[in-house]
Amino acid sequence: SQQGEEDPQALSIQEGENATMNCSYKTSINNLQWYRQNSGRGLVHLILIRSNEREKHSGRLRVTLDTSKKSSSLLITASRAADTASYFCATVPFGNEKLTFGTGTRLTIIP
Amino acid sequence: DVKVTQSSRYLVKRTGEKVFLECVQDMDHENMFWYRQDPGLGLRLIYFSYDVKMKEKGDIPEGYSVSREKKERFSLILESASTNQTSMYLCASSLLSESRSEQYFGPGTRLTVT
Repeated sequence: SQQGEEDPQALSIQEGENATMNCSYKTSINNLQWYRQNSGRGLVHLILIRSNEREKHSGRLRVTLDTSKKSSSLLITASRAADTASYFCATVPFGNEKLTFGTGTRLTIIP
Repeated sequence: DVKVTQSSRYLVKRTGEKVFLECVQDMDHENMFWYRQDPGLGLRLIYFSYDVKMKEKGDIPEGYSVSREKKERFSLILESASTNQTSMYLCASSLLSESRSEQYFGPGTRLTVT
């Protein structure tokens, strides 16, 4: 079963704009992770946020976590053409060692 | 950098054939995983392994088996390939000491069963 659900499913923005993607999940989690996948390739880990953290930054990425709403958001600032990819959230529920992935957001940056 | 390699990028097999997908990681990770990825369904876990000769079923193990004889290598086996196993297969590894840590993925194998 899918634990995480991303929203929107697809997003197109102009280069230089900010992109925001959201993820909702159903059960309590140990941590939540975001991954990027370029077309036809493997996934690359971007950032991990633990359940006791509310916000985390990494370069142009900002992730927030609201455990009361069971949701997270990924913000990419000053987008570049190279950011064009699919983005997935993945959750690690308590008492479970496995990552459960959502279906992803397809981000297209228009030059 | 962690490197996870998969034996083939593209593979075409016939229905009923036995198929082996190999995955090797070079960072001494304890955990290894096999996923399949299908449009609209995201990544689904087939099997994972915490250690040599240990394996656990994931969400969709039917029609698959795995083998982990060495720490660095995790094989996915399709005993009798069927057309509904046409998919992208992704291998990943992670540390056990931080068992809920990030996973490192291979480039994927796109398998077509005809």
